[in-house]
Amino acid sequence: GAGVSQSPSNKVTEKGKDVELRCDPISGHTALYWYRQRLGQGLEFLIYFQGNSAPDKSGLPSDRFSAERTGESVSTLTIQRTQQEDSAVYLCASSPRSLYGELFFGEGSRLTVL
Amino acid sequence: TQLLEQSPQFLSIQEGENLTVYCNSSSVFSSLQWYRQEPGEGPVLLVTVVTGGEVKKLKRLTFQFGDARKDSSLHITAAQPGDTGLYLCAGVGRETSGSRLTFGEGTQLTVNP
Repeated sequence: GAGVSQSPSNKVTEKGKDVELRCDPISGHTALYWYRQRLGQGLEFLIYFQGNSAPDKSGLPSDRFSAERTGESVSTLTIQRTQQEDSAVYLCASSPRSLYGELFFGEGSRLTVL
Repeated sequence: TQLLEQSPQFLSIQEGENLTVYCNSSSVFSSLQWYRQEPGEGPVLLVTVVTGGEVKKLKRLTFQFGDARKDSSLHITAAQPGDTGLYLCAGVGRETSGSRLTFGEGTQLTVNP
């Protein structure tokens, strides 16, 4: 497709379970970002991938969170042993090799931890 | 850490009114972007401003980047219900372009018919 695709769009899980969220960026975009957005709030940076460089993981809130990206394609965000405070919308964005870092967002994956 | 503060946090107005949203920081940014997010969707880029003092217009929306590149404003003329959404400013730091785009907390705008 032409845009950033995220799956699943909605995920309900029980506390303590692991979840995996997927992001398909726009073809040719070298940069990929994950953000977390709690209800009614702004975007919280999680992790950034740029080509084959080491990712910027400085936004990951705990070691339960991890993300991978293969080359310049699909990325997965994994949350282990989910907690209720992990409930949020997880947004993925990709960006072309641009000086100004303009982001193109997916529609997000809404995670609810019961 | 470069922080962006947006004000007001919430704004509810009637159709046809004008409004201004502010985005302020103590840090200098090499560029600043404005996004609009509608419920259930990801943010969509409206504009990027790069030069201090720059003014850009997008139909009824006017964006300004402060002379010192530490602040920005968004002015909407004759607001319409379709303008309703969460408006987010985001800055690229002067030292680290592209690596971490810092977002403000957003301004939730509601335009009532």
